[in-house]
Amino acid sequence: GENVEQHPSTLSVQEGDSAVIKCTYSDSASNYFPWYKQELGKRPQLIIDIRSNVGEKKDQRIAVTLNKTAKHFSLHITETQPEDSAVYFCAASLFYFGTGTSLTVIP
Amino acid sequence: GAVVSQHPSRVICKSGTSVKIECRSLDFQATTMFWYRQFPKKSLMLMATSNEGSKATYEQGVEKDKFLINHASLTLSTLTVTSAHPEDSSFYICSAPGGRGGLYTQYFGPGTRLTVL
Repeated sequence: GENVEQHPSTLSVQEGDSAVIKCTYSDSASNYFPWYKQELGKRPQLIIDIRSNVGEKKDQRIAVTLNKTAKHFSLHITETQPEDSAVYFCAASLFYFGTGTSLTVIP
Repeated sequence: GAVVSQHPSRVICKSGTSVKIECRSLDFQATTMFWYRQFPKKSLMLMATSNEGSKATYEQGVEKDKFLINHASLTLSTLTVTSAHPEDSSFYICSAPGGRGGLYTQYFGPGTRLTVL
């Protein structure tokens, strides 16, 4: 099956700075890479996704890049705000999740 | 976006009893639903894929006789934890792909916190 690794496990940034979270995957057949945000005790929410025919996708302060050759993809959050604090999960395909990154944005 | 509900949100039971958790897609039909387990500060681990009208597909290491899944209709899947033990205590989340977002968009239920005493 698919194996998804995610780094870092925790990340603290100052408000206004950028945050980058990276994931690698093992199955070259994977072609869908979503990112989820999960606040404590709540359900994961899809924040952005990318498919294998695209190298980069941006939605306001959030962007995702994909390198299919190297089998890694990254989430970039710019101009971070305290409400961005949460756990972020990457996934390869619909249901193979990374280990999560706990992001803290310090006001 | 589409809505997936889950019931109950929280359950406490005695060791040895069985607990049923329901997952419903409220405004779209879901021929497939997924069941996950999440430990504190850990990732979501896929347990099984629930298929309407056929048997569920279990991930390696998940006991099918312990975690019974029934996908009775296009909007309802149930997970029954049989003879629950303290080690089964966890956060269980279901999800359903589809709705307006298409098959690649996954909608999660709010989760069920199971505590087995």
